[in-house]
Amino acid sequence: IVLTQSPATLSLSPGERATLSCRASQSVSTYLAWYQQKPGQAPRLLIYDASNRATGIPPRFIGSGSGTDFTLTISSLETEDFAVYYCQQRSDWPPYTFGPGTQLEIK
Amino acid sequence: QVQLQQSGPGLVKPSQTLSLTCNVSGDSVSSGSYYWNWIRQPAGRGLEWIGRIYTLGNTNYNPSLESRVTISLDRSKNQFSLKLTSVTAADTAVYYCASQDTRLVYFDYWGQGTLVTVSS
Repeated sequence: IVLTQSPATLSLSPGERATLSCRASQSVSTYLAWYQQKPGQAPRLLIYDASNRATGIPPRFIGSGSGTDFTLTISSLETEDFAVYYCQQRSDWPPYTFGPGTQLEIK
Repeated sequence: QVQLQQSGPGLVKPSQTLSLTCNVSGDSVSSGSYYWNWIRQPAGRGLEWIGRIYTLGNTNYNPSLESRVTISLDRSKNQFSLKLTSVTAADTAVYYCASQDTRLVYFDYWGQGTLVTVSS
């Protein structure tokens, strides 16, 4: 399953709302996760099964969607949220696949 | 809470074998609570799942790498390992070990990453 993410780069200011998209080449039901990666760090699990926040993830991170179209919304950006975001599916494997990422940068 | 600590060489010659180890603390590799994975990331690029192993030693691999990959468990040392044979420059990447809770089956804990460069 191929995952595509849009936009490739998103430039926003702190306090603004971010909307990141992930589209699957075929239905993955709700078997989709979102990860955040900062420079020099390993990815961190944010959202699993499309809409469930992982342990310790603040409520401003909201996942939605099912089938082939998914969205990660960050309701009000904090400075620590500027990073790269990846989606990942576990519906049809092997292999588990990741999207190419969205770079969220400070405007 | 699971903690993963990676070790292994950062430089491998072409055609040789890449070997990395991930030491697990906070749980036993034999507990059955987690799958144990390897994932890699070429510089400036996205993430590629390499494969995983479970407590009984059963493995699953990415079909694109399966002919060259072996993942194994060492229960006495509470660690798991990756071997990738016949490496080329295309295998240059940051390699991560990661766990998957067997209930959620997503990558919840990660090692610190090891940059492996394939060069003579």
